[in-house]
Amino acid sequence: TQLLEQSPQFLSIQEGENLTVYCNSSSVFSSLQWYRQEPGEGPVLLVTVVTGGEVKKLKRLTFQFGDARKDSSLHITAAQPGDTGLYLCNQGAQKLVFGQGTRLTINP
Amino acid sequence: ETGVTQSPTHLIKTRGQQVTLRCSSQSGHNTVSWYQQALGQGPQFIFQYYREEENGRGNFPPRFSGLQFPNYSSELNVNALELDDSALYLCASRDGKNIQYFGAGTRLSVL
Repeated sequence: TQLLEQSPQFLSIQEGENLTVYCNSSSVFSSLQWYRQEPGEGPVLLVTVVTGGEVKKLKRLTFQFGDARKDSSLHITAAQPGDTGLYLCNQGAQKLVFGQGTRLTINP
Repeated sequence: ETGVTQSPTHLIKTRGQQVTLRCSSQSGHNTVSWYQQALGQGPQFIFQYYREEENGRGNFPPRFSGLQFPNYSSELNVNALELDDSALYLCASRDGKNIQYFGAGTRLSVL
């Protein structure tokens, strides 16, 4: 079973700051997905990356897939309180294997 | 709105009891998966059903079992509840593009 490590586990920053969170594995991903989970809700898919070196942007969120397809990063520019949540990565196969997540808090 | 609904939203049971959690998927989504999410952790895969047959299982004991029905609903059954079974239980259905849509979950507390 592929293990995913996410870092940091917790992150609390002020509104307007930038941040980056990471997802790493010792194995190669066939594809990788990022989800955001808000309190009281299930995870919601943000993006899927497939190709090594791929960069995808979703408004203020930038997702990057490592060249070797073993790691990924999520960068948020000018964070807003609405970005608060648990950010999860997984290897996007039939049986989703999730990392433990990064719990992000954006303070007004 | 993901189109996946779970019931009940909250449930309290005592150790040793049995529980059934329910999930209603979107029409046409033939695959449903169940996950256990402990507090502060990511979801852990329990099992997956495709067209009413289990076709994948995570590292959970046999007292975790499931059913999927032709009307796109499914159940997760847990026998002989233990304190460590306290968690958020999520179901997710998969569309033709292999995207999973999650319900809001059932929060189970075992006392």
